[in-house]
Amino acid sequence: DAGITQSPRHKVTETGTPVTLRCHQTENHRYMYWYRQDPGHGLRLIHYSYGVKDTDKGEVSDGYSVSRSKTEDFLLTLESATSSQTSVYFCAISDLDMVDGSGNTIYFGEGSWLTVV
Amino acid sequence: GENVEQHPSTLSVQEGDSAVIKCTYSDSASNYFPWYKQELGKRPQLIIDIRSNVGEKKDQRIAVTLNKTAKHFSLHITETQPEDSAVYFCAASMAGTALIFGKGTTLSVSS
Repeated sequence: DAGITQSPRHKVTETGTPVTLRCHQTENHRYMYWYRQDPGHGLRLIHYSYGVKDTDKGEVSDGYSVSRSKTEDFLLTLESATSSQTSVYFCAISDLDMVDGSGNTIYFGEGSWLTVV
Repeated sequence: GENVEQHPSTLSVQEGDSAVIKCTYSDSASNYFPWYKQELGKRPQLIIDIRSNVGEKKDQRIAVTLNKTAKHFSLHITETQPEDSAVYFCAASMAGTALIFGKGTTLSVSS
């Protein structure tokens, strides 16, 4: 398995509190991603990063912010958690794009289960 | 942006039968199409992928086909086994973009 560590793995928090999820990789891969997984919605992209300090929004970015100050770390912050943000959050990484101009394989971390009460 | 539709959402087969899952994508510039398998409580894991310069790829009991003109791709599993029971996701992307996933297919293989 790719060297991806997510922390915390499980968290229960109260509505209105800030929450930060951390993703750490040891693969030196360029790209890092945050997805959330909910029943009936599959995996939806929140934010992704294509380099240190370079990030972009995904499909469901409202209410989330990210930061990448080092190649190996990608942080996801919920500024003020809401019940709708109860979900499983997956970090993923991928290496440089293929020389033919196609994307590269992404590898997922083990997930972080977040419950907002 | 890219949009990926996946069908069916659930699929039940008998052991030994074949299973087919279909996906369509909206952005004709997409050129990378992976399939992931996710067992309950686990992370999604890549099982096979295809790039737009080929039409079909096989790996033992699993095959993927791609029709660029129609913008759809399919996963074929032959001789299904109980351990094939899982949620399967298709996805699409191109260089410099993130993978966009379909909503998933829950495959149940009964013995």
